[in-house]
Amino acid sequence: KQEVTQIPAALSVPEGENLVLNCSFTDSAIYNLQWFRQDPGKGLTSLLLIQSSQREQTSGRLNASLDKSSGRSTLYIAASQPGDSATYLCAGEFNAGNMLTFGGGTRLMVKP
Amino acid sequence: DAGVIQSPRHEVTEMGQEVTLRCKPISGHDYLFWYRQTMMRGLELLIYFNNNVPIDDSGMPEDRFSAKMPNASFSTLKIQPSEPRDSAVYFCASSLARAYSPLHFGNGTRLTVT
Repeated sequence: KQEVTQIPAALSVPEGENLVLNCSFTDSAIYNLQWFRQDPGKGLTSLLLIQSSQREQTSGRLNASLDKSSGRSTLYIAASQPGDSATYLCAGEFNAGNMLTFGGGTRLMVKP
Repeated sequence: DAGVIQSPRHEVTEMGQEVTLRCKPISGHDYLFWYRQTMMRGLELLIYFNNNVPIDDSGMPEDRFSAKMPNASFSTLKIQPSEPRDSAVYFCASSLARAYSPLHFGNGTRLTVT
């Protein structure tokens, strides 16, 4: 059974700091990995999707990496802002059936 | 596009009552997923459809739960009878069938069973 883990569960940083969110998975035969953002009372918004053949994806201040051999992905947020405060979830697709296994999320608070 | 639309946004019901949650996926999407989110268990996949056909319902917790997708633009998740432990946020999501297609979520239905 595939498992996706995110540690820590919560993180608080001052505004302007660069930060890294971690995601680990047990099955190296990963098809793709997605990072999502969830604001309170809202659904999940897809941020980045990394295919198994890729090592990283970038969108604005966000950079996500994928290391299949070590079973890890990271989401790097540059120059964090209070508006980045949200819960960030990673999810792995381990077969071609579009089914995702989600981590528990990291709740990020960026303090002004 | 309006995105994935779920209704109602909030549902409060008494134990034993039937609950029906509704979802309209993004037009043209081939996959539809129902998830449940709780503090204790996080996001759990309940069931998903491909081209209106249920593919995997192994996540449906009990026979009290059922889901249908009568056409490409509508799906329901029904709980009958409801129990307090069913209280959670239920999300519907959709995606295209092509490889590496991101998942698009609705804003969820917060269900409270008293």
